Amino acid sequence: AQSVTQLGSHVSVSEGALVLLRCNYSSSVPPYLFWYVQYPNQGLQLLLKYTTGATLVKGINGFEAEFKKSETSFHLTKPSAHMSDAAEYFCAVSESEYSGGGADGLTFGKGTHLIIQP
Amino acid sequence: GAGVSQSPSNKVTEKGKDVELRCDPISGHTALYWYRQSLGQGLEFLIYFQGNSAPDKSGLPSDRFSAERTGGSVSTLTIQRTQQEDSAVYLCASSLHPGLTYEQYFGPGTRLTVT
Repeated sequence: AQSVTQLGSHVSVSEGALVLLRCNYSSSVPPYLFWYVQYPNQGLQLLLKYTTGATLVKGINGFEAEFKKSETSFHLTKPSAHMSDAAEYFCAVSESEYSGGGADGLTFGKGTHLIIQP
Repeated sequence: GAGVSQSPSNKVTEKGKDVELRCDPISGHTALYWYRQSLGQGLEFLIYFQGNSAPDKSGLPSDRFSAERTGGSVSTLTIQRTQQEDSAVYLCASSLHPGLTYEQYFGPGTRLTVT
């Protein structure tokens, strides 16, 4: 069974500093990996996803993530934090493309609340 | 274009009452998903529709939960005899086709409070 662990329920960084949100997964097959962002009172928005191919994935708003199979990690980074980045971030995994399900739901981590200090 | 919409945005109900939550997916999207976001529990997948059919209902928390989709569009999640542990934000998402190569677009959610 697949699972996701996000280290740190809250992460605080200064504006302009590096953002690093950690995500480790457990999967019995090559996973599909996702990062979503949720702004207050809004739905989830896809930041980026890894399916196959290049292990460094670039997403919207300057975020990127690197799939490291040996570390079973998919950490999210951004070189310079903006105040507008303050939100809840969710890492998610799915094996369904390999299990034949084709469209099962995603398994999400519990989320990391990113706080940006001025 | 219009995104995924959900109604009501907030629902307060008494324990034991039934509630219906509605999801309007993006027009033309064939796949529809329901998730539950509980405090401290994160996001939990509930059920998925391909067209009007749900291939797997095992993600529903109990037999008090049911969902249907009609006309390949609107979906309703029904919770019977609500309990306090049902309090959560219920999120709906849709995608153009089934499969994870297609992005899931999420609605703003319905916040359910059971008193």
